[in-house]
Amino acid sequence: DIQMTQSPSSLSASVGDRVTITCRASQGIRNDLGWYQQKPGKAPERLIYAASTLQSGVPSRFSGSGSGTEFTLTISSLQPEDFATYYCLQHNGYPRTFGQGTKVEIK
Amino acid sequence: QVQLQESGPGLVKPSETLSLTCTVSGGSVNSYYWTWIRQPPGKGPEWIGDISYSGSTNYNPSLKSRVTISVDRSKNQFSLMLNSVTAADTAVYYCAREGYYGSGIYSIDYWGQGTLVTVSS
Repeated sequence: DIQMTQSPSSLSASVGDRVTITCRASQGIRNDLGWYQQKPGKAPERLIYAASTLQSGVPSRFSGSGSGTEFTLTISSLQPEDFATYYCLQHNGYPRTFGQGTKVEIK
Repeated sequence: QVQLQESGPGLVKPSETLSLTCTVSGGSVNSYYWTWIRQPPGKGPEWIGDISYSGSTNYNPSLKSRVTISVDRSKNQFSLMLNSVTAADTAVYYCAREGYYGSGIYSIDYWGQGTLVTVSS
């Protein structure tokens, strides 16, 4: 299995802060990675696919980068509606595997 | 707009079989890959397996001996069966679509709302 190591597991930030979340793959996965946002009681929603392609309708303050084994999700200016849990998901091999998640909380 | 809706019992007894169905609207199970994912309370998601437009399946090795995913093309549905369940199988179960975006790019794009299945006597 391809292991996805996501960090940090949680962070506290203020509205307007720049936030960076990282996922590392245990082997190279090209750019076969997506980022998802999940709010309590809801299904995850896709933000980014193919490592850096923004899902239609997602605000441009979200961006993704990386290739191979290291990937980053950046929120350029955190907004109140962005407080949630974020997951990465690799699509390079089977089984598909998720990162452990990053809970973004209000400081 | 593709929509997915899970249905099935919310309570299953230990050692019995969990059975869920996902009904797809706005799209066809004759295209793409159709996926089951679960999320235990307070934990991250776990990919269970998928079935392709051609009917081929992929399963998570951690569950492979207990899982079957099948498709009913006449009803535009796909299903999950998980046998010999224990309390550890208590989770919100999601069905989802893995779309193809060209150049070898796949991505899980549409999700159902999820259904909580509790394993308890």
